[in-house]
Amino acid sequence: EVHLVGSGGGWVQPGGSLRLSCTASGFSFSDYEMNWVRQAPGKGLEWISYITGSSSPIYYADSVKGRFTISRDNAKNSLYLQMNSLRAEDTAIYYCAREVLWGKPTMIFDYWGQGILVSVSS
Amino acid sequence: DIVMTQSPDSLAVSLGERATISCKSSQSVLLRSDNKNYLSWYQQKPGQPPKLLIYWASTRESGVPDRFSGSGSGTDFTLTISSLQAEDVAVYHCQQYYSTPTFGQGTKVEIK
Repeated sequence: EVHLVGSGGGWVQPGGSLRLSCTASGFSFSDYEMNWVRQAPGKGLEWISYITGSSSPIYYADSVKGRFTISRDNAKNSLYLQMNSLRAEDTAIYYCAREVLWGKPTMIFDYWGQGILVSVSS
Repeated sequence: DIVMTQSPDSLAVSLGERATISCKSSQSVLLRSDNKNYLSWYQQKPGQPPKLLIYWASTRESGVPDRFSGSGSGTDFTLTISSLQAEDVAVYHCQQYYSTPTFGQGTKVEIK
C-alpha cells in the first residue's frame, strides 16, 4: 500500500526557514516524479514544485522560485522542500504528491501525503 | 497561467439525486497531437488530502465508483455524481495539467 508521510512543519517568523520532509513507502520511489502542492487557509490548491526520479529537471511556481528548493534522496525514499525567506502568504498546508506513472510527465497526482501545516507569522 | 473557474462554489443535493459541477479553463486544455484533454478532478473530504477521481477529463481512477463521471472538451468540463451518497460530501477540485498545473477554487457538495 502506498504511503506518503510528511513532517517538519510548524510556526516560523517571517524571513525564517523550514525544511519539510515526505517519506514514501509501498512503491519504488525512485521511479516516480514527485511534487509539492499547498493549500492556504480557505483557499484552493496551488502547485509549487516538481522533481523527476533522477532529480533533473526541477520546476517551481513563480510564487516560490528563488526561495524554495525541492530535493530527494532515493536511498531514503524521501522528498524534501527547503523553504527560505518565508512570508505570511506561505502559510498553508503543504502536501507531497506522487505523479501517475505514464512514461512522460503528466502532473496527475494519484497519491497525496496527509499534509504538513506551516504557519508564518510574527 | 491558465485560470480554472468552477461553478457553483457550493451546492446542496438530496441523497440519491444528481450533482453537477462545472469547470471552465481560460484557454483550451485539449492537446491536438494526442487528442487528450489535460484535465483532472479531485475529491477532498474534511481534514484529508485530495483524492484523484478522474483524469484525461473522463478516465475514472481505479477504485472510484462509477457514479462519478467526467465529460467535456476544450475549455468546458463537467463532473457528475449520478446518485449522491452521504460519503460524497466533500470539496471537489478541477485541475489542468496542459501547462503549469493550476486548480479551480473548489466546489463544496453538501446534503440537502
